[in-house]
Amino acid sequence: DTEVTQTPKHLVMGMTNKKSLKCEQHMGHRAMYWYKQKAKKPPELMFVYSYEKLSINESVPSRFSPECPNSSLLNLHLHALQPEDSALYLCASSQDYGTPYNEQFFGPGTRLTVL
Amino acid sequence: AQSVTQLGSHVSVSEGALVLLRCNYSSSVPPYLFWYVQYPNQGLQLLLKYTTGATLVKGINGFEAEFKKSETSFHLTKPSAHMSDAAEYFCAVSDRGNYGGSQGNLIFGKGTKLSVKP
Repeated sequence: DTEVTQTPKHLVMGMTNKKSLKCEQHMGHRAMYWYKQKAKKPPELMFVYSYEKLSINESVPSRFSPECPNSSLLNLHLHALQPEDSALYLCASSQDYGTPYNEQFFGPGTRLTVL
Repeated sequence: AQSVTQLGSHVSVSEGALVLLRCNYSSSVPPYLFWYVQYPNQGLQLLLKYTTGATLVKGINGFEAEFKKSETSFHLTKPSAHMSDAAEYFCAVSDRGNYGGSQGNLIFGKGTKLSVKP
């Protein structure tokens, strides 16, 4: 199984809502990532978890809160988002973190719209 | 630090024609290079990667890329384009800092949109 799954596929939320994005992989990977991708742009790294611990936070606003409950799951909790946060949110995983030749496997993404 | 430049934000070819997508990198240490493809409303899929060894790398869907150190290039090619190749293509280099330290974050180019005309 070389698949990263993400739910939901689409999400529309108001600025006062609280919602969560979910990501799952069963490849035994120990590193998991959240990216944000705006239209016609490359993905931007948000967070990296390595062995279920937060390794990288790329100065992301606190309205985005990541969580890694176990080695297979990664969540992104959303609260009080702004319309400019509307984007495709991608999850990825790799064998481990800090090994630069390891490829990252990406999920299909969640298309988020903030009204 | 590493960086990637993709020449041409949009490339259009006819079905059956050669596909050439250009990628140049900047790195003070031996680079690890990747090409990813993104179909509309989907995630990224790895086409191929260069780490060490053979400089001509073959990937999925008939794509290949050649690592040329002297030209600091890693261009992606396919001999004959198919309609299904229409997508966004991203070249990426692995972030290894200035001294070859291992971080592994991907540094993406801005992407090239490939259109294939019938």
